[in-house]
Amino acid sequence: EAQVTQNPRYLITVTGKKLTVTCSQNMNHEYMSWYRQDPGLGLRQIYYSMNVEVTDKGDVPEGYKVSRKEKRNFPLILESPSPNQTSLYFCASSFSVTRTDTQYFGPGTRLTVL
Amino acid sequence: GQNIDQPTEMTATEGAIVQINCTYQTSGFNGLFWYQQHAGEAPTFLSYNVLDGLEEKGRFSSFLSRSKGYSYLLLKELQMKDSASYLCAVRDLDNFNKFYFGSGTKLNVKP
Repeated sequence: EAQVTQNPRYLITVTGKKLTVTCSQNMNHEYMSWYRQDPGLGLRQIYYSMNVEVTDKGDVPEGYKVSRKEKRNFPLILESPSPNQTSLYFCASSFSVTRTDTQYFGPGTRLTVL
Repeated sequence: GQNIDQPTEMTATEGAIVQINCTYQTSGFNGLFWYQQHAGEAPTFLSYNVLDGLEEKGRFSSFLSRSKGYSYLLLKELQMKDSASYLCAVRDLDNFNKFYFGSGTKLNVKP
């Protein structure tokens, strides 16, 4: 089954404790992206990757890191999480970023930073 | 940057037609997307417009006017399962890789 998976689905952590949210897709997609979703603010793009070893900042990259060592995986790293990073996070992928390509979203990771 | 506006919430009756509007003010535009998101789930793609006009897909249609910075999603023959949030998103003109989403419109379908 073609899908985007994220782990963990739920996480409660404390300020300053490094964490990684994994994202994996099995559709051989070139493009992957991370978003956070907060009430009243909608989805905001954190980072994206056009292909292996090619990443760039989205609208709200502060406090986050990403890497793209393999085509299928695009982990999101929070080196020192803070309470304002409490949010619902979505990973998404698409075959490429052409005019008609849509994004397929993972199931989401709900993160709470205390 | 992008400024995308949608109504926060709407209510409609099963079997009716509802129109969800989206206006955008952008420094550049390269396509507008509509996504559906049920509570607690991931967004799923509904439609894409890059040229002016109406795109129809079954019960769902999407319209775009680039000169007015305006789009709408039209849902016909509403069903209870259409209760969800509807997200409008635009792609940046200068950078195909960047997307900007509105805050979403929560649609409540009542019997």
